Amino acid sequence: DAGVTQSPTHLIKTRGQQVTLRCSPISGHKSVSWYQQVLGQGPQFIFQYYEKEERGRGNFPDRFSARQFPNYSSELNVNALLLGDSALYLCASSLGVQETQYFGPGTRLLVL
Amino acid sequence: AQKVTQAQTEISVVEKEDVTLDCVYETRDTTYYLFWYKQPPSGELVFLIRRNSFDEQNEISGRYSWNFQKSTSSFNFTITASQVVDSAVYFCALSEANFGNEKLTFGTGTRLTIIP
Repeated sequence: DAGVTQSPTHLIKTRGQQVTLRCSPISGHKSVSWYQQVLGQGPQFIFQYYEKEERGRGNFPDRFSARQFPNYSSELNVNALLLGDSALYLCASSLGVQETQYFGPGTRLLVL
Repeated sequence: AQKVTQAQTEISVVEKEDVTLDCVYETRDTTYYLFWYKQPPSGELVFLIRRNSFDEQNEISGRYSWNFQKSTSSFNFTITASQVVDSAVYFCALSEANFGNEKLTFGTGTRLTIIP
């Protein structure tokens, strides 16, 4: 069975630009969560979605937004990019909200 | 607020040695879950184990074992007879049984290097 997939794998943007990251969950999983991992740190929770509804939001500015589609895939959008947004963005899927999260390979974003 | 502390930033051991990774957590909830994930250089977090707060039994899976002690708020991970393939960053994580969502709070990770 395919695991969580994310695209693109790498991305380079400049300050002020906008970026969209994509995630496809494991088949049958209805919940998707997004995490930001800055180099040398543990992942930080950004959002969790379940059945297209936002179920949780971490301590991130409104420049960060996300959505989940009817097929349970998800997009994370970041507007007005800052240098500090450079990080590995991880997507995780789970069967439900209270189930184990399985992570994808991540998208490495570099903001110049 | 929940918090996870992994005091060991980096550990290096010679292959075949045993190694224990420490994890201490803080939470106000009585119901919570603890996790260990492995992050190889590729970056993907690999799930290793999930335990709920009501199950304090130690668990063994091959060369891996976990020791959960509520009295000391610790959830330590031991690798027996380490191998080079065990080299990775290991994260301990906590989630509270808030029905609304399952936000994972991670520690800062322990970088484990197995020297051949």
